[in-house]
Amino acid sequence: GAGVSQSPRYKVTKRGQDVALRCDPISGHVSLYWYRQALGQGPEFLTYFNYEAQQDKSGLPNDRFSAERPEGSISTLTIQRTEQRDSAMYRCASSLYGNNEQFFGPGTRLTVL
Amino acid sequence: AQSVSQHNHHVILSEAASLELGCNYSYGGTVNLFWYVQYPGQHLQLLLKYFSGDPLVKGIKGFEAEFIKSKFSFNLRKPSVQWSDTAEYFCAPRSFTGTASKLTFGTGTRLQVTL
Repeated sequence: GAGVSQSPRYKVTKRGQDVALRCDPISGHVSLYWYRQALGQGPEFLTYFNYEAQQDKSGLPNDRFSAERPEGSISTLTIQRTEQRDSAMYRCASSLYGNNEQFFGPGTRLTVL
Repeated sequence: AQSVSQHNHHVILSEAASLELGCNYSYGGTVNLFWYVQYPGQHLQLLLKYFSGDPLVKGIKGFEAEFIKSKFSFNLRKPSVQWSDTAEYFCAPRSFTGTASKLTFGTGTRLQVTL
């Protein structure tokens, strides 16, 4: 596609439910990144893929968070047993390779009640 | 670990005023530097970037930034702001570790331009 797309754009869920957030990068982009942005803060790195390989997951806050990119294109960020503190904007970005500029998607606003 | 500091959290300027937003980072190794902008209701967009060479870089919409290595700074400037520059601005250095690269964003500066 023309840009990075994310779905859903908004997600409201109850505490304890699992959620899956999807990112569709720019076609041909090797690198894909996930960030989380709390209100009033800058985006915070979560994890990063080159093709289907997860290169760095040091930013995932705990083991309830996981991400995959099985075919080297679309990626899913999964949060299990959601908690209110997980409420944030989740942003995905892609780049041609790891040393190129990153293009961001519109984000998914997650609200955990 | 990489860290970045944006000194101005909220800036209000009149149209045609000059702008300078401060950014300092901590990393001493090879670093690329970026400024991203988020206009109201839109997603993050790249404003300008510095990889190497001329430390004064020019971006879109008349913005520029100067890399001063000795001060670990990458301040954003614009000689004359417009109402349409109202947005949130993020400084983001990028460090490299092995095959991975990741951006570290500042907390952002909200710019409000009044008519």
